[in-house]
Amino acid sequence: KNEVEQSPQNLTAQEEEFITINCSYSVGISALHWLQQHPGGGIVSLFMLSSGKKKHGRLIATINIQEKHSSLHITASHPRDSAVYICAVLSGGSNYKLTFGKGTLLTVNP
Amino acid sequence: GAGVSQSPRYKVAKRGQDVALRCDPISGHVSLFWYQQALGQGPEFLTYFQNEAQLDKSGLPSDRFFAERPEGSVSTLKIQRTQQEDSAVYLCASSGWTSVGTGELFFGEGSRLTVL
Repeated sequence: KNEVEQSPQNLTAQEEEFITINCSYSVGISALHWLQQHPGGGIVSLFMLSSGKKKHGRLIATINIQEKHSSLHITASHPRDSAVYICAVLSGGSNYKLTFGKGTLLTVNP
Repeated sequence: GAGVSQSPRYKVAKRGQDVALRCDPISGHVSLFWYQQALGQGPEFLTYFQNEAQLDKSGLPSDRFFAERPEGSVSTLKIQRTQQEDSAVYLCASSGWTSVGTGELFFGEGSRLTVL
């Protein structure tokens, strides 16, 4: 079993829909990253969080340390949000070694 | 430059050839990471540099893989005697912090290696 599990693997939505992507992990962590990867490879860091909730524009990330679970929400989704969203955790006492999920492929149709 | 730059973006190699992939991190960033991303998978850690020191190379798949960052800025990932299983996107990332639990990671566009 992977340390980091994301669901769903694939998600198709209509423009303006509210999107939720989930990330569960099996180990104690000190931080969790949400990343966005567009076709062609480039990865952009969206959020880094260790507790609570963060918001940036239409994106919201939450984490529940006790339940070992994080969610990424996108409000009023848009076709330009179409990308792979990847969750990565910092665990095992390391301050640099990230373990990544396989990603969730989001397609937002107009 | 303003971001992390990787070259080449695409490399096709015949099995058995040596390849070198370059990463130019954001100026002044102390931490540099190499990751390997197979098709349809998340990135996997290969190695970590803090300035010129390679502090962790535990993710390198075999002794055919070698990475260096001699002056604490540009880094090169070298793969000797390439095999088909080496085909992947190789991602470089840098950070101004020594902990990825403290600050943001900045990724390059990746180098896509195809071994025939």
